Amino acid sequence: KAGVTQTPRYLIKTRGQQVTLSCSPISGHRSVSWYQQTPGQGLQFLFEYFSETQRNKGNFPGRFSGRQFSNSRSEMNVSTLELGDSALYLCASSLGGSNQPQHFGDGTRLSIL
Amino acid sequence: QQQVKQSPQSLIVQKGGISIINCAYENTAFDYFPWYQQFPGKGPALLIAIRPDVSEKKEGRFTISFNKSAKQFSLHIMDSQPGDSATYFCAASVGRRDMRFGAGTRLTVKP
Repeated sequence: KAGVTQTPRYLIKTRGQQVTLSCSPISGHRSVSWYQQTPGQGLQFLFEYFSETQRNKGNFPGRFSGRQFSNSRSEMNVSTLELGDSALYLCASSLGGSNQPQHFGDGTRLSIL
Repeated sequence: QQQVKQSPQSLIVQKGGISIINCAYENTAFDYFPWYQQFPGKGPALLIAIRPDVSEKKEGRFTISFNKSAKQFSLHIMDSQPGDSATYFCAASVGRRDMRFGAGTRLTVKP
């Protein structure tokens, strides 16, 4: 069974640009969560989507948004990029029920110049 | 807003020794406490998890000890091996969603 796939693996952008990251969950998984990982702040929850609806949201500005498609694939968008957005963005999928563990992808490394 | 505090930040253990990582949480609504292992260039991988109605859970060389009254839980790695060298994260959540992570512990096991 294929794991969680995130594309691209690496991305370089400049301040003010916008970026879209993609996550393909494990087949059959309906929940997708996004996290930001930085050396200073660690792993922080961004949001979770389940059946194309945002179910939970962390404390990030509105520049961070996401969506989920009918096939459970998810995208995350960051607009008006800032230097502080440089991070590893991780996606995790699960079946969606309260007893199901999350499985992480290997992330997209975003660097802002 | 750090809801899960993890210590130590880094840990060096000799091969065959016991590695112990501690976490404390604030939110009494948390009902799921996993530990993740992360190698460089990889995403976190679920190692072991516990629910608050259990005081200890063991899987192979990995054991979680949970103290509900103290709001603390810890990971013990018995017979630590160089291949265990990685960063370990404790986490807590309500219903396995909106996971709150500790800051991580970088474990180095010396041969």
